[in-house]
Amino acid sequence: QSALTQPASVSGSPGQSITISCTGTSSDVGSYNLVSWYQQHPGKAPKLMIYEVSKRPSGVSNRFSGSKSGNTASLTISGLQAEDEADYYCCSYAGSSSYVFGTGTKVTVL
Amino acid sequence: EVQLVQSGAEVKKPGESLKISCKGSGYSFTSYWIGWVRQMPGKGLEWMGIIYPGDSDTRYSPSFQGQVTISADKSISTAYLQWSSLKASDTAMYYCARGGSYSEGDFDYWGQGTLVTVSS
Repeated sequence: QSALTQPASVSGSPGQSITISCTGTSSDVGSYNLVSWYQQHPGKAPKLMIYEVSKRPSGVSNRFSGSKSGNTASLTISGLQAEDEADYYCCSYAGSSSYVFGTGTKVTVL
Repeated sequence: EVQLVQSGAEVKKPGESLKISCKGSGYSFTSYWIGWVRQMPGKGLEWMGIIYPGDSDTRYSPSFQGQVTISADKSISTAYLQWSSLKASDTAMYYCARGGSYSEGDFDYWGQGTLVTVSS
């Protein structure tokens, strides 16, 4: 069970949109609509931003959206704000009652 | 208010045993999963396993199966993560989190983390 692959870093200017990819395999991302995304600020616990590919928990800004195509899931942040600067991790069900996280992406707001 | 409160930081020597805890409050502890996530220094998140305190159904990542033991005592709303023989490579921040509002692996509330340092 290998970690899902994410770009190490993504950056954008305030107000822009950015997209973070999360590439897995046909055994995890490609087989289940159980992809979630977490935001983690330095020194803090992660926060759930997206579940089941594209659903937002109550209280999460609608600037965050998720999608999936084949073995790759994506998180889009629109209207980028300074507070969005953080690390982002995808997570997918991988079968056999287990999940796997992505490698993580550092988002920088320029 | 849902809260997960973890036990304090630990400093241990290689070969020692350790059990850290995660106490839930503000919700029905037996109706949700509790998961454990490792974050090694400067590194990413790693999914370790989950337990359903209602019936102690426990599931492990293949990477952690046999390396740690996850348990829970529903009478005191507390989940545990334990090691029988620590290694230096177990040095990390360990988070517990609640799953099951959506799928069992979607963690909507998190503890503050427990830093475990293993050094001779």
